[in-house]
Amino acid sequence: DAGITQSPRHKVTETGTPVTLRCHQTENHRYMYWYRQDPGHGLRLIHYSYGVKDTDKGEVSDGYSVSRSKTEDFLLTLESATSSQTSVYFCAISESSHISYEQYFGPGTRLTVT
Amino acid sequence: AQKITQTQPGMFVQEKEAVTLDCTYDTSDQSYGLFWYKQPSSGEMIFLIYQGSYDEQNATEGRYSLNFQKARKSANLVISASQLGDSAMYFCAMREGNTPLVFGKGTRLSVIA
Repeated sequence: DAGITQSPRHKVTETGTPVTLRCHQTENHRYMYWYRQDPGHGLRLIHYSYGVKDTDKGEVSDGYSVSRSKTEDFLLTLESATSSQTSVYFCAISESSHISYEQYFGPGTRLTVT
Repeated sequence: AQKITQTQPGMFVQEKEAVTLDCTYDTSDQSYGLFWYKQPSSGEMIFLIYQGSYDEQNATEGRYSLNFQKARKSANLVISASQLGDSAMYFCAMREGNTPLVFGKGTRLSVIA
């Protein structure tokens, strides 16, 4: 199994509070991704990183920011959480951006915003 | 427009029977990759099978095979000899160029004893 951990695994927070989710990998893969999973929507890309300090937006980036100061860590921040951000968040990694390389997923973080 | 379409929200299959999960995709690229992932009730995402756009043969991995019809832009997953442990959500996904995976909405498969 790819060495990907996410923390916390579960979190309940109140509307308006900041929240940071952490993804940590031990595979030294260059590419890291944050997705959210909601019923009826599958997985949707929030942000991704193609190297240290190199990030780009995905399909549903509004209300989220990311940072990657080290190869192994990719942080997702909700500056002011809203109920619409209640979701399961998955981190993924990939050795390459080539079409033949799969993405390996972390165990997910279940976030509830009340 | 959706890049990946999975038209079957839910499916049932009898144990030991084969089942086909549908996936159609939309791209104007000549070079792309198609992936299937399984998500059991425990929540983890498990990579199952990959098909490249230039691959001439359909991909197979154990009981999983991919029925790739390029002209029809379809990449259906075939599971042979279904087992109770195959009950899960299944996601079709695509990579174009150097972009991240784009996922369909998934199909929930239930295997009945």
